Amino acid sequence: DTAVSQTPKYLVTQMGNDKSIKCEQNLGHDTMYWYKQDSKKFLKIMFSYNNKELIINETVPNRFSPKSPDKAHLNLHINSLELGDSAVYFCASSLGGVGDTQYFGPGTRLTVL
Amino acid sequence: GNSVTQMEGPVTLSEEAFLTINCTYTATGYPSLFWYVQYPGEGLQLLLKATKADDKGSNKGFEATYRKETTSFHLEKGSVQVSDSAVYFCALSDTNAGKSTFGDGTTLTVKP
Repeated sequence: DTAVSQTPKYLVTQMGNDKSIKCEQNLGHDTMYWYKQDSKKFLKIMFSYNNKELIINETVPNRFSPKSPDKAHLNLHINSLELGDSAVYFCASSLGGVGDTQYFGPGTRLTVL
Repeated sequence: GNSVTQMEGPVTLSEEAFLTINCTYTATGYPSLFWYVQYPGEGLQLLLKATKADDKGSNKGFEATYRKETTSFHLEKGSVQVSDSAVYFCALSDTNAGKSTFGDGTTLTVKP
């Protein structure tokens, strides 16, 4: 069974479109995260949710909106996509807070044309 | 704020060579320290961790010791294999700040 899953794995779209990436974890964890990894492999936290509540919102354009319908899901919606949004987006989860090991999904490679 | 500085890559080694990837950190308080590994085309996965000073984390032949006096958490392996080729990330988690900070990653390539 996949612990942290993301869909889709690949997403190719045009500038200006709106898209969503879905994430689900079946580990019973309380905290979920979204990270962005650029082409140089640099990893940056975007958001963190604990029990459906937003606890970290880094300096991310408000075109990015996370939504957590329940503690097993954390989706990422992106409006008005720009070229610079092209990256690999990783969802992760941890049992408690950030002091716990994070379990990462396989990533979603977003390409904006 | 917190920060993690990793040895710049890429690092290329021959099979059975000794590996060291340096990692130093800046943090207030007493963070937990982690090494994550990312194999090609995959997400990150925990390699090892240490939660307090002088703890040694180990897994799959890799080791790292939490050194508070030098604020370091260097990753070592005595004999690398081709299958160790990956990107390695050092990270710290600060429960007071409520977030993790990752280093920039070090790409390791091991040649047969």
